[in-house]
This record gives sequence, C-alpha cells and structure tokens, in this order.
Amino acid sequence: QVQLVQSGAEVKKPGASVKVSCKASGYTFTSYGISWVRQAPGQGLEWMGWISAYNGNTNYAQKLQGRVTMTTDTSTSTAYMELRSLRSDDTAVYYCARDVLMVYAMLDYWGQGTLVTVSS
Amino acid sequence: EIVLTQSPGTLSLSPGERATLSCRASQSVSSSYLAWYQQKPGQAPRLLIYGASSRATGIPDRFSGSGSGTDFTLTISRLEPEDFAVYYCQQYGSSPRLTFGPGTKVDIK
Repeated sequence: QVQLVQSGAEVKKPGASVKVSCKASGYTFTSYGISWVRQAPGQGLEWMGWISAYNGNTNYAQKLQGRVTMTTDTSTSTAYMELRSLRSDDTAVYYCARDVLMVYAMLDYWGQGTLVTVSS
Repeated sequence: EIVLTQSPGTLSLSPGERATLSCRASQSVSSSYLAWYQQKPGQAPRLLIYGASSRATGIPDRFSGSGSGTDFTLTISRLEPEDFAVYYCQQYGSSPRLTFGPGTKVDIK
C-alpha cells in the first residue's frame, strides 16, 4: 500500500533552517511528483511547492521563492523540503503528498505531517 | 491566479441531515483538476473527490461532487458522526500550480 512517512517534529530558532524528509513506499517513486503543503495553527492549507521525482523539476509558491528548496533521493524514494531563514510565522505542520497530474489531478496520499515550531 | 472561495464558512447540522458545501472559483477551472479533501483534527487531509465528481478509493457513496466552470458543490447526503470535519476544495492551475479554498467546517448542531 502507498505510504508517505515523514520525519519527526522540529524546534528551531528564528533565522535557522529546517529540513523535513518524506519517505515513500508502495509505488514507483519516479512515476509521480511530491507536493508540500503546510498548515499554520488553526489555519487552512497552504501549498508550498512541487517536485518531480522523475527529473527533479520544481515549482515553488511565489511567497517562498528563495527560502525553500525541494529535492529527492531516488535511491531511497525520499523527498526533502528545506526552509531557510525561519520566522515565527513558519510555525506549522508540514505535509508531503503524492501529486498526481495525469487525466485527473489530485493529492491522493499524504504523509502524517511534521510539526515545525519556530521560537526563540 | 485563481482564487477559490468556499461557503458557508461553518455549517451546523445534525447527524442524518444533508450537507451542501460550495466552492466558487474566480476564473473557470477544468473539472478534471478540481478536488475535495476532508480533514479531521490532528489528522492529515484525505482525498474525497477528484475530477469534480469521482469518489476516491474507499470513499462512501454518501459523498458526491458536482459542478463545472466556476461553481462546484460537495454534497453529503446523510451526515454520519465521523463526517463532522473541515472540507477543502482545491484546483490545479498554471501559476501557482495548485491552490486551496479556505475550507468549510461542518460541525454538530
């Protein structure tokens, strides 16, 4: 069965960086992309960006351009999201999701989420 | 950029009642690229509907989606206790690649 398992919670100081991992199993990793979505406490879902696991192409949300980098390691079927220059408003749960864009488009499987807390 | 608006913000209903949730886009959206998700507290979102009207694997048939162009609807025919949650619509576009609506909370009356 398809599973996305994310790394554990992180606590970071303002200005630091965080790198969250998302290990995929149960499907051919390079046949799909991965989108990253975050959710601040009590707020809605915010799309952060997408990476193709096939060729590493990326597409980032404009507001995060320059601070976020998404990568993949196809040898371990793992996707990574690094966010730099952290601010208090980056405190959120970060999700990875399998991104399907074929005849239909959807985020069909999600990781369990990783809480990132930014606090001095 | 296509903006999605969901209404109402909160829907207070009793188990067994019918829920009708609306998602309106600022520009026409391809039906193939419109999806709905359910999120319960402390859980990741779960895909309910894709292609505006197709149920995802394992989703009960009391959930249905409809609509086209700029107006889409998620209907829950008879609310079960486990259906009280927040529902998000989402669309794929060109820039940004995808956007979510602000969500509709369905709570117990």
